[in-house]
Amino acid sequence: RKEVEQDPGPFNVPEGATVAFNCTYSNSASQSFFWYRQDCRKEPKLLMSVYSSGNEDGRFTAQLNRASQYISLLIRDSKLSDSATYLCVVDVNYGQNFVFGPGTRLSVLP
Amino acid sequence: DTAVSQTPKYLVTQMGNDKSIKCEQNLGHDTMYWYKQDSKKFLKIMFSYNNKELIINETVPNRFSPKSPDKAHLNLHINSLELGDSAVYFCASSSQGGENTEAFFGQGTRLTVV
Repeated sequence: RKEVEQDPGPFNVPEGATVAFNCTYSNSASQSFFWYRQDCRKEPKLLMSVYSSGNEDGRFTAQLNRASQYISLLIRDSKLSDSATYLCVVDVNYGQNFVFGPGTRLSVLP
Repeated sequence: DTAVSQTPKYLVTQMGNDKSIKCEQNLGHDTMYWYKQDSKKFLKIMFSYNNKELIINETVPNRFSPKSPDKAHLNLHINSLELGDSAVYFCASSSQGGENTEAFFGQGTRLTVV
């Protein structure tokens, strides 16, 4: 089983749609959780950290369920500029090992 | 100011050659990493250094040798390059410990072995 798994994608959605990404992780001792975004031929960049109580940043909402070892990302009112690959990332060793999921590609269509 | 910078951005070289990729961070971070992103776009950690000491060394051929002359630099030297080494190599850094300490990435080095 991979350490971090994500929806295989790709997701093709119209502008304005709401889209949800799911992620599961296998290491129950993982400390921190993140969603990164990677545009084509660019480096990954932090989209948002994921806190135990859930957190929201504008149109983006992240949830964490430690008991189920499950992380989610919800994007509301999708924009064309949201098109990218979304990477679920888990810190398994106190900032010394960030494990990436395979990513889910999102295309927002006009 | 670029936080994590790596050079070169593109590298095309022949099989059997030896090459180096340099990485520098000006964020004052304690931990630096090398990741490899293959043709399937999967990002996998290769090495992790904390305060110039090797912390993680994943299953990587010993043709790959990281060198950290100081906390701000982590270079990657590759001997006897093979076709399968073609990938994008990302350097990253983060501060030590704490919750929700994110990793910052360099722009990547696209290595093509011909």
